[in-house]
Amino acid sequence: ETGVTQSPTHLIKTRGQQVTLRCSSQSGHNTVSWYQQALGQGPQFIFQYYREEENGRGNFPPRFSGLQFPNYSSELNVNALELDDSALYLCASSSPTSTETQYFGPGTRLLVL
Amino acid sequence: GEDVEQSLFLSVREGDSSVINCTYTDSSSTYLYWYKQEPGAGLQLLTYIFSNMDMKQDQRLTVLLNKKDKHLSLRIADTQTGDSAIYFCADRRAAGNKLTFGGGTRVLVKP
Repeated sequence: ETGVTQSPTHLIKTRGQQVTLRCSSQSGHNTVSWYQQALGQGPQFIFQYYREEENGRGNFPPRFSGLQFPNYSSELNVNALELDDSALYLCASSSPTSTETQYFGPGTRLLVL
Repeated sequence: GEDVEQSLFLSVREGDSSVINCTYTDSSSTYLYWYKQEPGAGLQLLTYIFSNMDMKQDQRLTVLLNKKDKHLSLRIADTQTGDSAIYFCADRRAAGNKLTFGGGTRVLVKP
């Protein structure tokens, strides 16, 4: 157990809808990163939040957005869902004293129909 | 380049050693990682190595890094059935905080 929690565990949406995924980082961790893992592939970096500001973004369109709250928990929002957005969404947290290590949560599996 | 490459599959007998290989392209990689993913689960950090090291040992795990060839390997000694999983290598570049992952190696341990 890493202490990183995500909700919900599973979600089914239809094309065009919007979704919000949530992540609670490990205690004391002020950096949260989000990754998308399509079936059979490695995770792809979406973006990272540090002290409530976006701190790096991967090759994902603007309809992928995020927030980080003062308690360092985070949300990933995806608008105008597409079938290809079906994936496992993982968040990872890291601490200010050990920024080289990212600890992952169990993920949210999103299915877009 | 962005690429981190791994072989797709490895089959090994219980009790033998497993060696999983990975190559990366970016010479600015500062840290290299091995993560384990079991079915339906998130990623478990197994070990990582700083780019100025060439070896790191942690119990049954040995990481070897050849920075000249941009080659990383993970050796699991005395492989057990519980080691059956997908193993991902990843690197972190000097510019930025993201991890770039390979496609994963599925390891099957046969009794």
